[in-house]
Amino acid sequence: EAGVAQSPRYKIIEKRQSVAFWCNPISGHATLYWYQQILGQGPKLLIQFQNNGVVDDSQLPKDRFSAERLKGVDSTLKIQPAKLEDSAVYLCASSLDGQDGGYTFGSGTRLTVV
Amino acid sequence: GIQVEQSPPDLILQEGANSTLRCNFSDSVNNLQWFHQNPWGQLINLFYIPSGTKQNGRLSATTVATERYSLLYISSSQTTDSGVYFCAWDDYKLSFGAGTTVTVRA
Repeated sequence: EAGVAQSPRYKIIEKRQSVAFWCNPISGHATLYWYQQILGQGPKLLIQFQNNGVVDDSQLPKDRFSAERLKGVDSTLKIQPAKLEDSAVYLCASSLDGQDGGYTFGSGTRLTVV
Repeated sequence: GIQVEQSPPDLILQEGANSTLRCNFSDSVNNLQWFHQNPWGQLINLFYIPSGTKQNGRLSATTVATERYSLLYISSSQTTDSGVYFCAWDDYKLSFGAGTTVTVRA
């Protein structure tokens, strides 16, 4: 079974620029998550999708962050404009039914904003 | 939401040593998970353990839900055990603690 695919692996941008990350979950997984992990902290949920609908985006800074999962499969996360404090690893995860240990994480995208 | 507190924040072990990591919750949780994040950043699920004890090789975990804590045991540690260990409350989405950074020295 292929894992959760993310790209790019690394990205360096200047503040106020925009950036987009891509995630392809495990085939058949209905639930997709984007997490932000700042250095030295645990991952923090940004947004949760169930198929192509948003379940939870309460911690997504909507003035600059957006995410979509149009066909209920792959997803993109965008930041526009980026700030220095957005420097972090952005992790995508998917699960079949959202519980019972069935979470698989991608390798993440490390974003550095300079 | 439920607060997740992990201790100790850092742990340095000599290869072959045993250790215990602790996770406390501010309220009762129905579902709890332990993860290992390796030095390359990959998060791997170790245990789904809402209650009781589970073992997988040199790792085992115990959750006492009524007392709102969970323990992760590492026995005969190896350098490959290095990384960050997270516990997370699972409510159809994961809420992570700050983690315990484990360094195993040869």
